[in-house]
Amino acid sequence: DAMVIQNPRYQVTQFGKPVTLSCSQTLNHNVMYWYQQKSSQAPKLLFHYYDKDFNNEADTPDNFQSRRPNTSFCFLDIRSPGLGDAAMYLCATSRDGGALDTQYFGPGTRLTVL
Amino acid sequence: AQSVAQPEDQVNVAEGNPLTVKCTYSVSGNPYLFWYVQYPNRGLQFLLKYITGDNLVKGSYGFEAEFNKSQTSFHLKKPSALVSDSALYFCAVRGPSGYSTLTFGKGTMLLVS
Repeated sequence: DAMVIQNPRYQVTQFGKPVTLSCSQTLNHNVMYWYQQKSSQAPKLLFHYYDKDFNNEADTPDNFQSRRPNTSFCFLDIRSPGLGDAAMYLCATSRDGGALDTQYFGPGTRLTVL
Repeated sequence: AQSVAQPEDQVNVAEGNPLTVKCTYSVSGNPYLFWYVQYPNRGLQFLLKYITGDNLVKGSYGFEAEFNKSQTSFHLKKPSALVSDSALYFCAVRGPSGYSTLTFGKGTMLLVS
């Protein structure tokens, strides 16, 4: 089945230690999104890629970076995680990012910062 | 800027009873509206969307939603709730212009007992 896959599902890191979260998709969608979701809150968009074009939300901290080496994969890098970065990180994809498009989400990676 | 309001933090329903989860929106022009469901420690699952056409939209797992332009609402409904429907439900809106982001409501926890 076509899907959005996130690895790992659970990630524990230490304060200040860089961490990378991974997302892959078999849907061949052009757009990939990264969201941060804190406990029982709405997902907050961090950034998205339309193909290779990177689009950063204005309030996304510089501590968060992303890479998309090819259509299928997208990575979220947190350069120096703080305690406030503990959250669920959701990857989503959509076909073309148009108004009629639907975003499909992966299962998420829960990040714990010690 | 577009926005979504989900006025209820939690909705409690007895199994077998109808359920409604409320959502109102604010957007310039015609809205594109979505409902997602999230089970514990899982990603969001797409339920249904309204783009245009019939005001009653049918989606996955027996859910439907009613679009009401005059009341700027898009309430999620199901005729008969199941215990397995217990989850966190998010309403989202996309603006009318092509290539715009999705704005989510804060979510409503549905508890079916």
